[in-house]
Amino acid sequence: EVQLVESGGVVVQPGGSLRLSCAASGFTFDDYTMHWVRQPPGRGLEWISLITWDGGSTYYADSLKGRFTISRDNSKNSLYLQMKSLRPEDTAFYYCTKDRISHSTSDYSFDYWGQGTLVTVSS
Amino acid sequence: DIQMTQSPSSLSASVGDRVTITCQASQDINNYLNWYQQKPGKAPRLLIYDASNLETGVPSRFSGSGSGTDFTFTISGLQPEDFATYYCQHYDYLPLGFGGGTKVEI
Repeated sequence: EVQLVESGGVVVQPGGSLRLSCAASGFTFDDYTMHWVRQPPGRGLEWISLITWDGGSTYYADSLKGRFTISRDNSKNSLYLQMKSLRPEDTAFYYCTKDRISHSTSDYSFDYWGQGTLVTVSS
Repeated sequence: DIQMTQSPSSLSASVGDRVTITCQASQDINNYLNWYQQKPGKAPRLLIYDASNLETGVPSRFSGSGSGTDFTFTISGLQPEDFATYYCQHYDYLPLGFGGGTKVEI
């Protein structure tokens, strides 16, 4: 059974930093591109970032302006999101998602999602 | 960036109704479109990929169609468990993008 379990969401002050983690199991982690998607409470979904199966390529939403960094450790079946210079508008549930197709470089469909971890940016 | 315009933003329906949601892309995205269902407090669930293909385990009352810029998602015979919010998502170019969502209510 595929499982994605996010952790690391807390209340953080504006300007602060945070690292989210996602522990994956039930599939061959290093065969799949992985993504982070976020959702402010009561609002819609926003794709944030992806990292290819080998960690060789990363892409980000323009709105992040270099404040977030995605990474993975295939030896630990784990995905990460390092966030810095956090703003109140970064308050959201952050979801770790898995690509539907292995070794995908263009067909980005999210077939499994974690339960989400809530990041609250507030003083 | 490609903009996804989803409509309506909400609708009221009854069990057994046929429900249709549309999603329009700001430019041609071929058939690179997915549909997701999200229930309150839960993560989204993939229902339809490549505009019209049903994900494994998804009931056949869900369907999708379209290509280019105009897409349609249909529930044929709304069930009580279908009351949720539905999102379209394109993957033709990066950045990936979602529609604003359609909340299906009683």
